Amino acid sequence: GAVVSQHPSRVICKSGTSVKIECRSLDFQATTMFWYRQFPKQSLMLMATSNEGSKATYEQGVEKDKFLINHASLTLSTLTVTSAHPEDSSFYICSASLGTVNTGELFFGEGSRLTVL
Amino acid sequence: AQSVTQLDSHVSVSEGTPVLLRCNYSSSYSPSLFWYVQHPNKGLQLLLKYTSAATLVKGINGFEAEFKKSETSFHLTKPSAHMSDAAEYFCVVSDPQAGTALIFGKGTTLSVSS
Repeated sequence: GAVVSQHPSRVICKSGTSVKIECRSLDFQATTMFWYRQFPKQSLMLMATSNEGSKATYEQGVEKDKFLINHASLTLSTLTVTSAHPEDSSFYICSASLGTVNTGELFFGEGSRLTVL
Repeated sequence: AQSVTQLDSHVSVSEGTPVLLRCNYSSSYSPSLFWYVQHPNKGLQLLLKYTSAATLVKGINGFEAEFKKSETSFHLTKPSAHMSDAAEYFCVVSDPQAGTALIFGKGTTLSVSS
């Protein structure tokens, strides 16, 4: 099956710093990637839809300036948490679709656990 | 509007006994339905999907689910639980004609005891 790689898997940073998380589709091209946030023992919350070559579409309540998403190529999307604070600590997961999003399977990265001190 | 409800937040079974994880959905159109599994601190893995073909869908690791339109359900089953099945399970719905991304249920934690 298709592989999606996320890096880093774990990151600890100081409050006020910025952290970048990468999501790569290793053996396929992903026009669309999705970024989710997952709080402990809760479901995944869609943050934004990342489209190659265009601006990301953010879900209601997600701060665009806080969570910067760049999808510069068909195999790479990045999520940058700017000026991170302890409340941004969470598990962030990306996913990519092989075909049409709503009828195809999504392939998920392994997730990135962010801890902000 | 679409929604998905996982009826049990936690299910506990003994190894070798059947597993039933319940899921009900709401969708304006014929939905696509998925079950994903997540092991601790890991990403999600697709178990199976229903996309308007056969109503009984077989997935990986012995899991299967039956799409019942009259009951708006898509329950996940496995005849015999294994210790390695202990994980978080998510029922997911998509609605092609609504043009939205996937909607996740809140998840069901499956515990398997020996």
